[in-house]
Amino acid sequence: AQTVTQSQPEMSVQEAETVTLSCTYDTSESDYYLFWYKQPPSRQMILVIRQEAYKQQNATENRFSVNFQKAAKSFSLKISDSQLGDAAMYFCAYRTYNYGQNFVFGPGTRLSVLP
Amino acid sequence: GAGVSQTPSNKVTEKGKYVELRCDPISGHTALYWYRQSLGQGPEFLIYFQGTGAADDSGLPNDRFFAVRPEGSVSTLKIQRTERGDSAMYLCASSTLTGDSLTGANVLTFGAGSRLTVL
Repeated sequence: AQTVTQSQPEMSVQEAETVTLSCTYDTSESDYYLFWYKQPPSRQMILVIRQEAYKQQNATENRFSVNFQKAAKSFSLKISDSQLGDAAMYFCAYRTYNYGQNFVFGPGTRLSVLP
Repeated sequence: GAGVSQTPSNKVTEKGKYVELRCDPISGHTALYWYRQSLGQGPEFLIYFQGTGAADDSGLPNDRFFAVRPEGSVSTLKIQRTERGDSAMYLCASSTLTGDSLTGANVLTFGAGSRLTVL
C-alpha cells in the first residue's frame, strides 16, 4: 500500500520570504499523481498544485512550485513571497494513475506566516 | 451545484445513536469520496463511488459505517450505534473524469465537511 510522509509537523516563515515543505512517499508504481492541498483554519481544503509522475518538468502555479524527485520519491512544495493568507495546514497526497483508486494523504504540515 | 455541499455542517449526538451525513457533489462529477479527518491529522479514506456503485469501500472501519449513492449524485454516509471514537470531521469530495488542470480529472474538490461529535 502507498504511504505519504510529511516529516515537518509545523513550519513558520516570515512574510515575503520563501519556505519549503517536505513530502516523501512510498510506492511500487511508476505512474501516479502527486498533489499539495491547503486547508486554511476552519475552511475547506483546496488544491494548490498537482504533478504527474511521467512529467519531468516540475509544476508551478504562481508563487507555488514543486521539486519532484521521482527516484528519491520526494515531492516538496516551495512557497515564494509568502503571504499571511498562506497560513494553513498543507497536505501532500498521492493517487495511482489507474483510475478507480483512492487518494492517500500525508499527516500534514501546519504553516504559520509571521508578519 | 457550483461546489460540493455537505449537510449538516455540525452534528452532536449521543453514544449509540444513528447518524446520516449528506454530500451533494458538483454536478456532473461521477467520482465521489468520503474521508474522515481527526483534529490535526490528514484525511483518512473511507469509501469511493464511481457512479452509483462503491468502487472501493476498504476504508470503512467496521460494519457500523455504510454509504450509498443511489442515483449517482447525492451520497449519504450512515453511521449506526455511534461511539465517541467516531467524533471527527467527515469530508466529502468529488472529481470529474475529464480535464487536465487544477479542476480537472483526478483532482478532488472538497466540501466544507460535517463535524460529528458523539457525547
